[in-house]
Amino acid sequence: DARVTQTPRHKVTEMGQEVTMRCQPILGHNTVFWYRQTMMQGLELLAYFRNRAPLDDSGMPKDRFSAEMPDATLATLKIQPSEPRDSAVYFCASGLPRSGANVLTFGAGSRLTVL
Amino acid sequence: RKEVEQDPGPFNVPEGATVAFNCTYSNSASQSFFWYRQDCRKEPKLLMSVYSSGNEDGRFTAQLNRASQYISLLIRDSKLSDSATYLCVVPASNTGKLIFGQGTTLQVKP
Repeated sequence: DARVTQTPRHKVTEMGQEVTMRCQPILGHNTVFWYRQTMMQGLELLAYFRNRAPLDDSGMPKDRFSAEMPDATLATLKIQPSEPRDSAVYFCASGLPRSGANVLTFGAGSRLTVL
Repeated sequence: RKEVEQDPGPFNVPEGATVAFNCTYSNSASQSFFWYRQDCRKEPKLLMSVYSSGNEDGRFTAQLNRASQYISLLIRDSKLSDSATYLCVVPASNTGKLIFGQGTTLQVKP
């Protein structure tokens, strides 16, 4: 089965450190989403790309977060500097819209703990 | 009104029960909707797409009510393995941005 691959699966870091999370979308998918999930907030959309172009990053704190797609096989989410409130599970998902519907496949997530 | 709203539950039901969840949305222009299932400490996975005419897959039925702007998920003859969080998904704009609800937690008891 085709899958979305995320690294690292787990990351523990100290406040102020830079964190980079990576995502390899399914080959041929042209949309990539980054979501953050916490118990309190549920799944929050951070950034959305189509054909590698950022279409919406309104949910992302701009001062410390950045998201990019250097090529079609790699999406990155960077936090610099990290803060304890960034502790969450970060999911990447990819999809290929058909007939106006975009079914997403999620990666297993990156669990981030900032001390 | 939030873009997508769900009752977080938990819904505690006995095996064999029928249970239904609703999800309301604010964007009246939304065209495609989905239900995802998320098990504890796992990623969300697609459960069903929601068509304007309704969609049935075994014990699961999804319905769309455009006039009242909600989608529903009905689970019949619930199994222990149905215990999970059920997330509804709604497109929020013409760009294809997909917004997830908070999720409804279902616990099926023996």
